[in-house]
Amino acid sequence: GAGVSQTPSNKVTEKGKYVELRCDPISGHTALYWYRQSLGQGPEFLIYFQGTGAADDSGLPNDRFFAVRPEGSVSTLKIQRTERGDSAVYLCASSLAGLFTDTQYFGPGTRLTVL
Amino acid sequence: KQEVTQIPAALSVPEGENLVLNCSFTDSAIYNLQWFRQDPGKGLTSLLLIQSSQREQTSGRLNASLDKSSGRSTLYIAASQPGDSATYLCAVTRYGGATNKLIFGTGTLLAVQP
Repeated sequence: GAGVSQTPSNKVTEKGKYVELRCDPISGHTALYWYRQSLGQGPEFLIYFQGTGAADDSGLPNDRFFAVRPEGSVSTLKIQRTERGDSAVYLCASSLAGLFTDTQYFGPGTRLTVL
Repeated sequence: KQEVTQIPAALSVPEGENLVLNCSFTDSAIYNLQWFRQDPGKGLTSLLLIQSSQREQTSGRLNASLDKSSGRSTLYIAASQPGDSATYLCAVTRYGGATNKLIFGTGTLLAVQP
């Protein structure tokens, strides 16, 4: 595609519910990243995929957070038993091969609000 | 642990002024440093990327410098315009890290008044 897309753009849910956030990377990009941006803060790294595998999940805050990329393209971030503190903008980025010289291209984000 | 700080948190200037945004990082072992722009409701757009071996990069009215030894970078914007109003973020990648994940600062919210 022309750029990284994320759906939905906004998600409002109640505390304790399960949510899924979707990311469509740029076609042909093997590297995919998830970041979380809380209000007034910079984005914080969550997880990095190289192809279908999670090469670095050190940023996931706890075991309520999980992400998959089964076919090496679209990725889904899954949050179980949501808490009010999970409210944030979730950003997805992709790069060509995950090399240190590659630019990361960001999507517009999904704004998650947990009531 | 790498920490990235940006000062000021917010800045308002009249149109036409030259301005400087500051970014500092605690660990000088970086691979590169990037400056991003973030508009409300939109993703991040990469403005400039400086490799650790470089001192500066320029693009149009933007000039970014890097002093790795002191852990500092500046973004200079010449002849500011209202369209420059946005949040500016700097981010580093750790040298020797397994991945090129970005470590971001907290951002500077810039408002250019017409």
